Amino acid sequence: AQSVTQPDIHITVSEGASLELRCNYSYGATPYLFWYVQSPGQGLQLLLKYFSGDTLVQGIKGFEAEFKRSQSSFNLRKPSVHWSDAAEYFCAVSGSARQLTFGSGTQLTVLP
Amino acid sequence: EAQVTQNPRYLITVTGKKLTVTCSQNMNHEYMSWYRQDPGLGLRQIYYSMNVEVTDKGDVPEGYKVSRKEKRNFPLILESPSPNQTSLYFCASSFGGGQGETQYFGPGTRLLVL
Repeated sequence: AQSVTQPDIHITVSEGASLELRCNYSYGATPYLFWYVQSPGQGLQLLLKYFSGDTLVQGIKGFEAEFKRSQSSFNLRKPSVHWSDAAEYFCAVSGSARQLTFGSGTQLTVLP
Repeated sequence: EAQVTQNPRYLITVTGKKLTVTCSQNMNHEYMSWYRQDPGLGLRQIYYSMNVEVTDKGDVPEGYKVSRKEKRNFPLILESPSPNQTSLYFCASSFGGGQGETQYFGPGTRLLVL
């Protein structure tokens, strides 16, 4: 069965600082990996996704993520965080068809 | 505008009173799905549908029903709601339900069952 672990429940960073959100997945074959963002009171919006090829994936809003098969990780990064990035971030894996499995989420707080 | 809509956005009800949460998409997507979001648990899939009249259980289907009579609509039915169904519910859709497809989410329905 596929699964996703986001070890950090809550992260606080200062505006302008760099950010890394961790994601570890479990799946027997090559996974399809996603990062979604949920702003307060909003639905989920796709930031980026990885299928194959280049292991560094660029997304919207200046985010990127790196797939590391040896570590079963797909960490999300941003070089300089903006106050508007405060939100909850979800990593997800699509292994079996028709099903997306989400991690428990990481809440990001941005300090002025 | 391409979107997934849900109604109502907020709902307070009492135990045992049947309710329906509607979901509609205007992107001609074949695949639709319902999730519930609970603190510390992320999103868990309730039911999904690959096309009209084709539905299947997700990870947490107990206490829920769905139907797919039209391609654009995928209502979630709670025939006898209980307090443990208090949650935030999301509907999502994608083109065909393929493994790597992006799912588009509605704005969510916050349900409180007293």
